[in-house]
Amino acid sequence: NAGVTQTPKFQVLKTGQSMTLQCAQDMNHEYMSWYRQDPGMGLRLIHYSVGAGITDQGEVPNGYNVSRSTTEDFPLRLLSAAPSQTSVYFCASSWDRTQEQYFGPGTRLTVT
Amino acid sequence: AQKVTQAQTEISVVEKEDVTLDCVYETRDTTYYLFWYKQPPSGELVFLIRRNSFDEQNEISGRYSWNFQKSTSSFNFTITASQVVDSAVYFCALSGNNAGNMLTFGGGTRLMVKP
Repeated sequence: NAGVTQTPKFQVLKTGQSMTLQCAQDMNHEYMSWYRQDPGMGLRLIHYSVGAGITDQGEVPNGYNVSRSTTEDFPLRLLSAAPSQTSVYFCASSWDRTQEQYFGPGTRLTVT
Repeated sequence: AQKVTQAQTEISVVEKEDVTLDCVYETRDTTYYLFWYKQPPSGELVFLIRRNSFDEQNEISGRYSWNFQKSTSSFNFTITASQVVDSAVYFCALSGNNAGNMLTFGGGTRLMVKP
């Protein structure tokens, strides 16, 4: 099992550009989530999904879109990148909200 | 809304010292789940423990132990005889049982263990 995979590992964007961060899991988990990690603030939930076709907003959803067309994939789209979106992004999956989450290796994004 | 507070942003100890990382949480759910994760310098997040709100038994795993006290809404983590390899950022997290109460993380505690 590859677990949770994320691509790319590093990305530099200019303000206003758009891009998609990819996330895939091979554990057949229903729940998938996206978090951003900023210094001193822990991880904050951006969007999550409780199954294919179902998504919802987390604590900091502005500027991001998600979709969940399959159980395996949960891409995160930055619509128009801003310097405030410079962060490390983690994707995670789990059986449900009561179980441990399995995290991907993270994507370090810099917006200039 | 739920909240997790890790008041200690950074702790420095000398190897072999014992160290306790504090975690205080707030939730209105009667059923909830608490977690600890470790983030070593390499950056990945490693699951350490999960505890549900009905199980207040303390847990020990090798040099690690956890003290869950519902009366004070705390879930503290103790490392006995710390080692340099324990140097990492440690996160406490909370998940409620109601829709929308996905995992909420504390701000993390950076532990530095010096030789």
